Amino acid sequence: SQQGEEDPQALSIQEGENATMNCSYKTSINNLQWYRQNSGRGLVHLILIRSNEREKHSGRLRVTLDTSKKSSSLLITASRAADTASYFCATPDNYGQNFVFGPGTRLSVLP
Amino acid sequence: KAGVTQTPRYLIKTRGQQVTLSCSPISGHRSVSWYQQTPGQGLQFLFEYFSETQRNKGNFPGRFSGRQFSNSRSEMNVSTLELGDSALYLCASSLSRDDTEAFFGQGTRLTVV
Repeated sequence: SQQGEEDPQALSIQEGENATMNCSYKTSINNLQWYRQNSGRGLVHLILIRSNEREKHSGRLRVTLDTSKKSSSLLITASRAADTASYFCATPDNYGQNFVFGPGTRLSVLP
Repeated sequence: KAGVTQTPRYLIKTRGQQVTLSCSPISGHRSVSWYQQTPGQGLQFLFEYFSETQRNKGNFPGRFSGRQFSNSRSEMNVSTLELGDSALYLCASSLSRDDTEAFFGQGTRLTVV
């Protein structure tokens, strides 16, 4: 089954800096979603980007999708300590029947 | 609108016992999916229900089962618990399974001792 693979596995930055995480996947998709998870808690939906979209913004978040490279990036601008969390990309499986999550990027924002 | 509610939040069980976890989806959502999250395996899909029917199942043994009621609430059951079943179990609801956001509950932390 196809799977998103986030890169890097871990990222540590200073408050105020920008954080960029990447996600690569294997086969064609009709949408890709990004989620955030604070330690040991549920996932919070951040943004959904469809295959016919190249870029999407939500507050300090910017997501891009390059279907030719089968990759997506999540940019968090002006990071805050509260952004410290794990970030996952999720793509539909080959049958479009459920989401497949990557291993995630653990982001640490230092005050 | 209330979010996805999972109960209980924490659970400790002994090997060999069975456990039932509950998930109440967002009102109006008909699709409920269950995931298991462990440090070693990450987030893994268990199964998905839509209108009381299981439409898809992940690669888990038959000890893992679930059901969905007419009000879209869902339960999952794990029988003959093993130590390796210790995990965070997450439930997600969505309007349908295609091309829409999935909203997750806070999860049930199951510890098997």
